[in-house]
Amino acid sequence: QKEVEQNSGPLSVPEGAIASLNCTYSDRGSQSFFWYRQYSGKSPELIMFIYSNGDKEDGRFTAQLNKASQYVSLLIRDSQPSDSATYLCAVVYGNKLVFGAGTILRVKS
Amino acid sequence: EAGVVQSPRYKIIEKKQPVAFWCNPISGHNTLYWYLQNLGQGPELLIRYENEEAVDDSQLPKDRFSAERLKGVDSTLKIQPAELGDSAVYLCASSLGSGTRSYNEQFFGPGTRLTVL
Repeated sequence: QKEVEQNSGPLSVPEGAIASLNCTYSDRGSQSFFWYRQYSGKSPELIMFIYSNGDKEDGRFTAQLNKASQYVSLLIRDSQPSDSATYLCAVVYGNKLVFGAGTILRVKS
Repeated sequence: EAGVVQSPRYKIIEKKQPVAFWCNPISGHNTLYWYLQNLGQGPELLIRYENEEAVDDSQLPKDRFSAERLKGVDSTLKIQPAELGDSAVYLCASSLGSGTRSYNEQFFGPGTRLTVL
């Protein structure tokens, strides 16, 4: 069973702070990793993807991948109330994208 | 550019009734996915099409679920008969390419929320 594990939260951070979301995966051979944001009652939308070890930055978002430890994280700098959502980590196993259950993020103004 | 279109947006049926969901992908996207999302969980793949071909239907409960993508464009997912446990959001997604790298351009539709009474 290929697994993607996330802390369900909620993770509460004050406005302007850095939010750190983490995800672990079970298959060391996985090569592709994705972060999705899902607002309540809406469908998931892709924020970032990362394939290589290290950091990948896009605006206020940074994805970090550590294949040796089998974890991937998402940092959100200068968090805004509009960032409040569920963040889904997803990992490709073979040709299939497997999602974690998501972490609820709440940014307090 | 129009996004992935799904209908209906909401459906309430009684158990043992049939139900069908329709999806029209983004124009030109050859890969189409149907996912099921239960409350508090991430989406789970039911079936993936590349053009007309179902290339991964290993998670589709074939005793009651069926899907088709005639002509490689829009798709229909059917449940017959529906059970109480089928209550969930059914998401359709599409992407331009195929294979694992196509996921970096996968777009989801708004979903159909099914309630089985």
